[in-house]
Amino acid sequence: EPEVTQTPSHQVTQMGQEVILRCVPISNHLYFYWYRQILGQKVEFLVSFYNNEISEKSEIFDDQFSVERPDGSNFTLKIRSTKLEDSAMYFCASSEASAVGGQYFGPGTRLTVT
Amino acid sequence: SQQGEEDPQALSIQEGENATMNCSYKTSINNLQWYRQNSGRGLVHLILIRSNEREKHSGRLRVTLDTSKKSSSLLITASRAADTASYFCATAVYNQGGKLIFGQGTELSVKP
Repeated sequence: EPEVTQTPSHQVTQMGQEVILRCVPISNHLYFYWYRQILGQKVEFLVSFYNNEISEKSEIFDDQFSVERPDGSNFTLKIRSTKLEDSAMYFCASSEASAVGGQYFGPGTRLTVT
Repeated sequence: SQQGEEDPQALSIQEGENATMNCSYKTSINNLQWYRQNSGRGLVHLILIRSNEREKHSGRLRVTLDTSKKSSSLLITASRAADTASYFCATAVYNQGGKLIFGQGTELSVKP
């Protein structure tokens, strides 16, 4: 069964450093998302992406964050200058044909900022 | 209450029993989705129910949706120890594209 993959599974970085989290969505999916989950808290929406542009973003997704689909398979989330409060599990998700279809999540990248 | 609130927050049952989890939300939705998360792991998509549907089944899962009460329930029948996980409802809010709003989750423990 096709699945969303994410790399790395765990990333440790120092405050102020840039990180890039990588995702490979399911191949025939057209809508892509990033969410995050701070330990013990709800899963929060960050950004949605369709047709090579951001379709919606949350208040969390400020100028420090950016997303890119550099080729036909990868979808990346970049945090330009990490803060301690960026420590969380980051999930990528994809959806087949409609922005309101079922979203399938990857296993997540645990980001630890020290 | 917040969009996508589940209750109970925690549920402990014996293997073989049924588990029912509830979710309430506040705004109009396109659909409601249920996910399972094992400790520290990813979110597994269980089932999606559209706003014009009232009930949906998938294996041992039964989901209902009452848009007049803005609530949904997830029933797991004949539970197994392997069903132990956190269960989340997530709403795709009407006219907000595909953004999902998650609840806090119900932590289900199934004892063998």
